[in-house]
Amino acid sequence: GAVVSQHPSWVICKSGTSVKIECRSLDFQATTMFWYRQFPKQSLMLMATSNEGSKATYEQGVEKDKFLINHASLTLSTLTVTSAHPEDSSFYICSAADTDRTDTQYFGPGTRLTVL
Amino acid sequence: GDSVTQMEGPVTLSEEAFLTINCTYTATGYPSLFWYVQYPGEGLQLLLKATKADDKGSNKGFEATYRKETTSFHLEKGSVQVSDSAVYFCALSHNAGNMLTFGGGTRLMVKP
Repeated sequence: GAVVSQHPSWVICKSGTSVKIECRSLDFQATTMFWYRQFPKQSLMLMATSNEGSKATYEQGVEKDKFLINHASLTLSTLTVTSAHPEDSSFYICSAADTDRTDTQYFGPGTRLTVL
Repeated sequence: GDSVTQMEGPVTLSEEAFLTINCTYTATGYPSLFWYVQYPGEGLQLLLKATKADDKGSNKGFEATYRKETTSFHLEKGSVQVSDSAVYFCALSHNAGNMLTFGGGTRLMVKP
């Protein structure tokens, strides 16, 4: 089956530092990847849609300068949380849409970010 | 816009009990419908899906039928196990290139 990986799975950093999270589709090509944020015991909130080779589309209320998204290839998208602060602590999940299968997204295992 | 409504949890059941988690949706056209499961500390896993009216998705003993007339996609399992304890999300999408719209999630707790 389709596999999406995320790295790192867990990161702790000091306030003010930047953190990069990678999302990879391991056995399929993904023209589109999505980044979600999930707070404890809540549903997923879509942050942005990432299209290979073009700029990401951010949802309303998401700061594009704080959450930098790059989708440089059909198998890799990165989310960089710049100048992280404690309120950025959350569970970040990516998903990838299989280019050859138009109705299914596959999710990564998530990255837990803790900002001290 | 599109929306998905799930029954609020937590749902607490004894092992081998019958499970129903209700899900209704509002959307234009004919979206694909999904159930995702999230085990503690993990990301989401696709549990099952249905892409057109009257389709039944099934996996691991779970079933859900796409009911266009009632705009519903209720999740059922005849006999739950402790290992089914997780959060279940109902979602819809018009295609994989578009975003998924999620319900709020329903936490299921199965006691031995």
